[in-house]
Amino acid sequence: SQTIHQWPATLVQPVGSPLSLECTVEGTSNPNLYWYRQAAGRGLQLLFYSVGIGQISSEVPQNLSASRPQDRQFILSSKKLLLSDSGFYLCAWSAGPNEQFFGPGTRLTVL
Amino acid sequence: QKEVEQNSGPLSVPEGAIASLNCTYSDRGSQSFFWYRQYSGKSPELIMFIYSNGDKEDGRFTAQLNKASQYVSLLIRDSQPSDSATYLCAVTGNKLTFGGGTRVLVKP
Repeated sequence: SQTIHQWPATLVQPVGSPLSLECTVEGTSNPNLYWYRQAAGRGLQLLFYSVGIGQISSEVPQNLSASRPQDRQFILSSKKLLLSDSGFYLCAWSAGPNEQFFGPGTRLTVL
Repeated sequence: QKEVEQNSGPLSVPEGAIASLNCTYSDRGSQSFFWYRQYSGKSPELIMFIYSNGDKEDGRFTAQLNKASQYVSLLIRDSQPSDSATYLCAVTGNKLTFGGGTRVLVKP
C-alpha cells in the first residue's frame, strides 16, 4: 500500500531564516506530487505540483520554491521566511488528476 | 465566483440527526467528485467519491451528485460527536479543486 511521509511534524523558525520541508511517498511509482498550505481556519491553497522529476509548476508567486530531485521525493524550500509563511503545510500524491492522498503535514510557525 | 463553493458553517447538528452538507461547482465539465474529512490539526482524509449522477452510500455516509444543477452533497446519518470535523468538497476538471470546507459540530 502507498504511504506518504512528511517531516518535520512541527517547526518554529525566525523571520528571515531558511526553510526545507521534505515529503516522500512509498509504494507507488511516478506519482503526481503537490504542496498545499492551509492558514489557520482557512482552506487549502495549492502552492506547487509536479508530474515528474524536475518538473515543477507554481500556482502562486511567493518566496517559496519546490524541487523534485527523485521520483518519490518532493521538497519545499524558502531562502527567507516571512511571518505570512506560517501555516499547515501538506504534501499530497495522486496517481492521476483525480483523488489525492495527504501526508500528515508540517505545522510551521514563523516568529 | 469561486470554482468550488461550500458554506463555511459551523453546521450544528444534534447527536443522532442527519447532517447535510452542500457543495456547488462552476466547471460544467467536471467529472469526479470527492469528500474529505479533516479533523482539527490533522490532514484531510478521503471519505467518499462519486462519479455518476445519483446517490452513493457507504456506511453512514451518502454522497449525492446532480451534474445538471452542478452540486454535490454529503449526508451523514446518525451523526456522532466523532463526526465533528471540517468536510472538504473537491472536484476534478483538468485538476482537483477544493472548496473551503464546511465545519460540522455534532452536539451530544
